[in-house]
Amino acid sequence: KQEVTQIPAALSVPEGENLVLNCSFTDSAIYNLQWFRQDPGKGLTSLLLIQSSQREQTSGRLNASLDKSSGRSTLYIAASQPGDSATYLCAVKGNQFYFGTGTSLTVIP
Amino acid sequence: DTAVSQTPKYLVTQMGNDKSIKCEQNLGHDTMYWYKQDSKKFLKIMFSYNNKELIINETVPNRFSPKSPDKAHLNLHINSLELGDSAVYFCASSQETTGEQYFGPGTRLTVT
Repeated sequence: KQEVTQIPAALSVPEGENLVLNCSFTDSAIYNLQWFRQDPGKGLTSLLLIQSSQREQTSGRLNASLDKSSGRSTLYIAASQPGDSATYLCAVKGNQFYFGTGTSLTVIP
Repeated sequence: DTAVSQTPKYLVTQMGNDKSIKCEQNLGHDTMYWYKQDSKKFLKIMFSYNNKELIINETVPNRFSPKSPDKAHLNLHINSLELGDSAVYFCASSQETTGEQYFGPGTRLTVT
């Protein structure tokens, strides 16, 4: 059974800092990996989708990488802003979708 | 122009009641899903459904049943509600080709 873990569970950084969020999964037989953000009391917003054949995807200040063989993905956020404060979730698609435990990010002005 | 919508946003009901949550997507996606997010914010898939197949997570009680009147709608019906059913329920849909998921705003269910 696929297990998805995100470390750290919580992260607090000063504004302007670059940061990396980690996602690891136990079964490398995946179709894709998707990063989401969730604001308190809200739904999930898709940030980046990486297909299993891809190594990375970029959108603005966000860059996500995927290393299937080692079962790891990272989400890099450049020049963090207070508006980036949210919970970040990764999800892998195998025979079904499996979500990670999330990283709660706080960017301090 | 909302992509995935759910109603109601909040639902408060008593134990033993039967309730439904509605979901609609206007993205033309073939597959729709229901997820449960517990108090620890962990998201777990309950069902995935497309025109061809219903996939049920084996841990979901049979009091929960998805109903799809057409490709754009997937409703969740819950019988004999229990206290442990209190959670936020999310609907989502995805493209067949990319598998990218889009989520609705969620329905917060409180069973008293």
